[in-house]
Amino acid sequence: QSALTQPASVSGSPGQSITLSCTGTSSDVGSYNLVSWYQQHPGKAPKLMIYEDSKRPSGVSNRFSGSKSGNTASLTISGLQAEDEADYYCCSYAGSRSYVFGTGTEVTVL
Amino acid sequence: EVQLLESGGGLVQPGGSLRLSCAASGFTFTYYAVSWVRQTPGKGLEWVSAISSSGGNRYYADSVRGRFTVSRDNSKNTLDLQMNSLRAEDTAIYYCAREQKIDTTTVGFDIWGQGTMVTVSS
Repeated sequence: QSALTQPASVSGSPGQSITLSCTGTSSDVGSYNLVSWYQQHPGKAPKLMIYEDSKRPSGVSNRFSGSKSGNTASLTISGLQAEDEADYYCCSYAGSRSYVFGTGTEVTVL
Repeated sequence: EVQLLESGGGLVQPGGSLRLSCAASGFTFTYYAVSWVRQTPGKGLEWVSAISSSGGNRYYADSVRGRFTVSRDNSKNTLDLQMNSLRAEDTAIYYCAREQKIDTTTVGFDIWGQGTMVTVSS
């Protein structure tokens, strides 16, 4: 199972919106509405930000939104803030009770 | 506080074995499936293994199947990962992560431990 493809880095200025992409295949992202997104600050554990493609867990800011089209999922961060600077990983169910993560995107707030 | 706490990491030679543990607290452990996810230094995340809430069903990534064994003790609220025939490429931070389910479908990993480092080197 190959990792989902994410851009290595994305940057934006405070207050701007940025969109992170996550490209898989018809065997994972394109087959299930089960893409989740995780935020990871340096030295910390990942934190669930989005599940089922576009749903936010309780306590996650509504500045974070998820969507999907075909084999590509996206995470949009609106009103970018300094605290959003972190690594972001997507994850998809890949069938047969297995999961595949993305390569990760480093978000920099300029 | 809902918490997962891993232990057991360390330095091991190639071909060796190591047993990781994960202690759960603050929630009803028996209600949840749990996965192990690893992260290689400076790199990405990789799902490794999962075990159902009862322990009756176990799942593995192709990269570890036949070498790793996941188990749980619901009476002690603990999860274990027995790792045998370790290779250099198994070097990583190992996290246990609670699976968030809607009905019977895992929709994400909502609680993570702080991780335990495993280094496979001679």
